[in-house]
Amino acid sequence: DAKTTQPNSMESNEEEPVHLPCNHSTISGTDYIHWYRQLPSQGPEYVIHGLTSNVNNRMASLAIAEDRKSSTLILHRATLRDAAVYYCILKTLAGGTSYGKLTFGQGTILTVHP
Amino acid sequence: DAGVIQSPRHEVTEMGQEVTLRCKPISGHNSLFWYRQTMMRGLELLIYFNNNVPIDDSGMPEDRFSAKMPNASFSTLKIQPSEPRDSAVYFCASSRDYYQETQYFGPGTRLLVL
Repeated sequence: DAKTTQPNSMESNEEEPVHLPCNHSTISGTDYIHWYRQLPSQGPEYVIHGLTSNVNNRMASLAIAEDRKSSTLILHRATLRDAAVYYCILKTLAGGTSYGKLTFGQGTILTVHP
Repeated sequence: DAGVIQSPRHEVTEMGQEVTLRCKPISGHNSLFWYRQTMMRGLELLIYFNNNVPIDDSGMPEDRFSAKMPNASFSTLKIQPSEPRDSAVYFCASSRDYYQETQYFGPGTRLLVL
């Protein structure tokens, strides 16, 4: 299974942009890059996903490197409510035992300072 | 939409007792997932169903764990007999289908086995 590598923790100040990196050097052509986050005492929630092109939605932006070996989740203006664990996950559509699964790693703990 | 509903939200039981966790997926969603989260092992997929049929139960830790989905609006995860090492937060998630769509997580059941 393709793996992802994320920093254990990051810090940001409120209303500043946050760039959360993720390395996935063994990504295959059929792997989608998904980001979920988990707020304290809650279940994970979907943030964004992409395959090759950069993606934007109301929560965040996803910048994907041209070789797809890394990606960056961008929160344009962090708020205190964005403090969470952010998970970068590769979701394969290639079949096999990992087909369609979300395999969560340890994620990045984001702390937002007022 | 009410989202994914889990009950109970908290459960405290004694070793050896049977524990049943319940989940109601979002209406119209065809796939249902059970996850377990601990500090040591993070978030792990236990089993998932598609159209009420178990697709992959390779994450179920042992025979003490069983899961059922008798209809599209209800699933149970049962532990019998329970052990202290089963203490964790158990999440249920649902999606429109299991291979591509976003997963929506419930609030979790916090289980403590004494």
